[in-house]
Amino acid sequence: SQQGEEDPQALSIQEGENATMNCSYKTSINNLQWYRQNSGRGLVHLILIRSNEREKHSGRLRVTLDTSKKSSSLLITASRAADTASYFCATDPGGGADGLTFGKGTHLIIQP
Amino acid sequence: DAGITQSPRHKVTETGTPVTLRCHQTENHRYMYWYRQDPGHGLRLIHYSYGVKDTDKGEVSDGYSVSRSKTEDFLLTLESATSSQTSVYFCAISEVRPGGQETQYFGPGTRLLVL
Repeated sequence: SQQGEEDPQALSIQEGENATMNCSYKTSINNLQWYRQNSGRGLVHLILIRSNEREKHSGRLRVTLDTSKKSSSLLITASRAADTASYFCATDPGGGADGLTFGKGTHLIIQP
Repeated sequence: DAGITQSPRHKVTETGTPVTLRCHQTENHRYMYWYRQDPGHGLRLIHYSYGVKDTDKGEVSDGYSVSRSKTEDFLLTLESATSSQTSVYFCAISEVRPGGQETQYFGPGTRLLVL
């Protein structure tokens, strides 16, 4: 069963606007990660936030984590056409390398 | 791409035939994974490996087997392919940072069509 669930499933915005995607999960985690997938390609790691962190930045990306609500958000500021992709959250329960549990993804379309 | 290649990149096969997908990595990573990706399901873990001859089942392992005889190669075998195994298959390696934080890096994927 999926651990993470992204919301919305699809999002279309104008270039230059900010895009926000949300992820909810069910069990305790060691960290939560966001990945991007361009059409026909593999997933690319974007950012990792540990369970004891509340907010993290990387370039135009801002991730928040609320462990009390078991939710995370990914904000992409000043969106560009090249940001068009699917975005997945993945949870790591910790304790080693047993694999991550991925959500179903949010498909983001940036309109030029 | 962490030096990960997958072969073949595309394959069409018939129901009942055996199929083997290969994942090759060049950076001596210990942990390797096979996922399948289907519309509406995201990525689901099939099998994973902690090292040579050390593998374990994931969420959707039925109908699949794996082998890892060398660090650099992780093979996924469909013993008798079924139409439900039509999917895109991704291999991944894992880097575990100090503190136990695991990050995965993915290969380009293999598109498998079972007729």
